[in-house]
Amino acid sequence: AQTVTQSQPEMSVQEAETVTLSCTYDTSENNYYLFWYKQPPSRQMILVIRQEAYKQQNATENRFSVNFQKAAKSFSLKISDSQLGDTAMYFCAFMKANAGNMLTFGGGTRLMVKP
Amino acid sequence: GAVVSQHPSRVICKSGTSVKIECRSLDFQATTMFWYRQFPKQSLMLMATSNEGSKATYEQGVEKDKFLINHASLTLSTLTVTSAHPEDSSFYICSARDGRGALNIQYFGAGTRLSVL
Repeated sequence: AQTVTQSQPEMSVQEAETVTLSCTYDTSENNYYLFWYKQPPSRQMILVIRQEAYKQQNATENRFSVNFQKAAKSFSLKISDSQLGDTAMYFCAFMKANAGNMLTFGGGTRLMVKP
Repeated sequence: GAVVSQHPSRVICKSGTSVKIECRSLDFQATTMFWYRQFPKQSLMLMATSNEGSKATYEQGVEKDKFLINHASLTLSTLTVTSAHPEDSSFYICSARDGRGALNIQYFGAGTRLSVL
């Protein structure tokens, strides 16, 4: 079974600064996908960024980028130029390829962006 | 991204009644949908995987007779909480897998807050 660990229950950052959220996972699979989802106070889950394990290049979406270290089984999320609207719970998630597409979520990190 | 609609967003019911929650993929067909439960300040726990035209697959510890899932079409899955009790009060979220291409992305509904009195 896969496990996903987010070691930072809560974090805070000043507006316009950069913050990195940590995520590690444990799997024996070689082919899989990793995701970061954001859950703002509205509780709507929003996909932030996605990474295929076979790709060495780190995924980037505007102010959001990841540092994917496959050998270390690490998948951190960097948020640059933090905005007040980034305040939310962030969940790291793992999905095995070709296996029902189930997501395994980490425990989440609550991020507060301060003005 | 794709849109998943979940209804109702909030429901309050008396103990012993049944509640139905709908999850619709609005602009894509979803052969697979997922139902999650989320307790306050916790992560999402997968309850079951809903497959169009076949029986749902329930996670260990989830009572299939308590949480009835029906996935009768490629755009609609329903979760019925039967004979609801206060301990069933929770936030329920559905997601649908967009199988177009190889993206394997799950899109989520806005969730349903169930309060059982």
